[in-house]
Amino acid sequence: TQLLEQSPQFLSIQEGENLTVYCNSSSVFSSLQWYRQEPGEGPVLLVTVVTGGEVKKLKRLTFQFGDARKDSSLHITAAQTGDTGLYLCAGTPNTGNQFYFGTGTSLTVIP
Amino acid sequence: DAGITQSPRHKVTETGTPVTLRCHQTENHRYMYWYRQDPGHGLRLIHYSYGVKDTDKGEVSDGYSVSRSKTEDFLLTLESATSSQTSVYFCAISGGVIYGYTFGSGTRLTVV
Repeated sequence: TQLLEQSPQFLSIQEGENLTVYCNSSSVFSSLQWYRQEPGEGPVLLVTVVTGGEVKKLKRLTFQFGDARKDSSLHITAAQTGDTGLYLCAGTPNTGNQFYFGTGTSLTVIP
Repeated sequence: DAGITQSPRHKVTETGTPVTLRCHQTENHRYMYWYRQDPGHGLRLIHYSYGVKDTDKGEVSDGYSVSRSKTEDFLLTLESATSSQTSVYFCAISGGVIYGYTFGSGTRLTVV
């Protein structure tokens, strides 16, 4: 069982559509991070959310940290082909000191 | 320009041979990590370092050893490679978890 479960696992959408990716846990996290990984490269940090209920925007990407700090979501508006990649959430639960990565969501945006 | 490089980028080796992967950083970060990424398993921590000569095991450390004799270099060694160690290996650096990780471009290792 993974500490951070992401859904959906795979997502294929048309360019211009909106989408939401979810990251869920039964554990409380002091912060959560989102990364994007393109084929053949390492993950790249997109954002860190720290406060419960926090919303951060990065151009067309909106990140939200749940009020209870157990979950997070990533919403992409008007997806572009350049958004294609593997999206990973990650963080350290309050009960431990190990950093965990989520199971990942593989997004394909079709032109 | 990311301040972290991995070498080699690709390697094919035979079962039973030793293999060393290198991670080099120019950011002077204290923390360095080795992960492997496999389909269905995501990113799994192998070993990490919190300073020169200070290392510790991660989730999947069996069959791997590491060394860090300088701040900038973190070496991962497979003492006797097995086919189950075929994977993509990523090195990461961090100035602290809250600042996030910076990953290298990865090493694709195939053990035949």
